[in-house]
Amino acid sequence: SAVISQKPSRDICQRGTSLTIQCQVDSQVTMMFWYRQQPGQSLTLIATANQGSEATYESGFVIDKFPISRPNLTFSTLTVSNMSPEDSSIYLCSVAEQGSSSEQYFGPGTRLTVT
Amino acid sequence: DAKTTQPTSMDCAEGRAANLPCNHSTISGNEYVYWYRQIHSQGPQYIIHGLKNNETNEMASLIITEDRKSSTLILPHATLRDTAVYYCIVRVVPSYDKVIFGPGTSLSVIP
Repeated sequence: SAVISQKPSRDICQRGTSLTIQCQVDSQVTMMFWYRQQPGQSLTLIATANQGSEATYESGFVIDKFPISRPNLTFSTLTVSNMSPEDSSIYLCSVAEQGSSSEQYFGPGTRLTVT
Repeated sequence: DAKTTQPTSMDCAEGRAANLPCNHSTISGNEYVYWYRQIHSQGPQYIIHGLKNNETNEMASLIITEDRKSSTLILPHATLRDTAVYYCIVRVVPSYDKVIFGPGTSLSVIP
């Protein structure tokens, strides 16, 4: 199984600022995804991070607010821009390994609090 | 992907079997049933998946009805560490499509 690390694990930020979250995988993976989990809620998919091209965003999420980079098959970043208290959430990186089982693995998450 | 419905919450006594149901009445022939769980403050963890046959691994068993419209995840001897939110998801395999989560079932294992 893939081992995923995220940095930072948590942060407290002021409104109006931006935070970049890093996701590192210990092996090359085809697909990387970013999810948001607001307090007491289930996970919501933000976007699929495509290697070498623009990310594919889900309805309700836009590139200007959540720019994503994926420079190679083991690394991606998600930036939360111009933050407001409503952006306080856990942000999770997820990867799909190559292979027929298509299991999806999740990182430990980044807990963001915006004040 | 087909939608799933699960009970919002369940309790289970420690040491007893936990049976978590999931309805997926609109599942397609090429869609698998996947189960994940999320222990508090951690990322979701893969548990098991199956197409139409019952499956068992070191964590759990998955029972899928013959018409594939529902399934049950069984934790044979629940422990306090099994307290978590359990998500039932259907998706096409092999596929690199995203996993979409519903609200899941919050399982509380009681001493």
